[in-house]
Amino acid sequence: GAGVSQSPSNKVTEKGKDVELRCDPISGHTALYWYRQSLGQGLEFLIYFQGNSAPDKSGLPSDRFSAERTGGSVSTLTIQRTQQEDSAVYLCASSLAVDTQYFGPGTRLTVL
Amino acid sequence: GEDVEQSLFLSVREGDSSVINCTYTDSSSTYLYWYKQEPGAGLQLLTYIFSNMDMKQDQRLTVLLNKKDKHLSLRIADTQTGDSAIYFCAERAGTYKYIFGTGTRLKVLA
Repeated sequence: GAGVSQSPSNKVTEKGKDVELRCDPISGHTALYWYRQSLGQGLEFLIYFQGNSAPDKSGLPSDRFSAERTGGSVSTLTIQRTQQEDSAVYLCASSLAVDTQYFGPGTRLTVL
Repeated sequence: GEDVEQSLFLSVREGDSSVINCTYTDSSSTYLYWYKQEPGAGLQLLTYIFSNMDMKQDQRLTVLLNKKDKHLSLRIADTQTGDSAIYFCAERAGTYKYIFGTGTRLKVLA
């Protein structure tokens, strides 16, 4: 596609439920990032994938958060047993190797 | 630790110049970036500057880098209402590590 796409654009869930957020990076981009943007905050790094290398998961805030990237392309961020403090916009970005990042429109997650 | 700081708000009149400032802490940063985020959208890359440059101009945008003071600024000439958005400064602090500021909300008054 022309840019990074994310789905769903909005997700409302109840506390304690699991959610999956999807990211389709730009074709050919080997690097993929997930960030979290909370209200009034900057972007918080969550996880980084590069090719077939082991991902850098150092930004994941708890073991309820996990992410995978299948076939070096699409990525899914999973949040288990969601909490209200998980409410935020989750942004995905991709880049060619370690070049400039291009962002998707984000998924706005609301945990009731 | 690593930190990128920006003022939270800026308000200017249409047609005036806007200057958005940013300070960073990692002197080894190789690239510094400016992103624009419009309501409900992701971040759009506006421009970037390599750390060995002092200035970069791109149409209405001028980026100034003072490496000694670790200060980055973005000047938007002839600011328009369509420029109203949140502007994020970011530094590339490692091979793939990026540190973002909290963003400056620019409001352009007609």
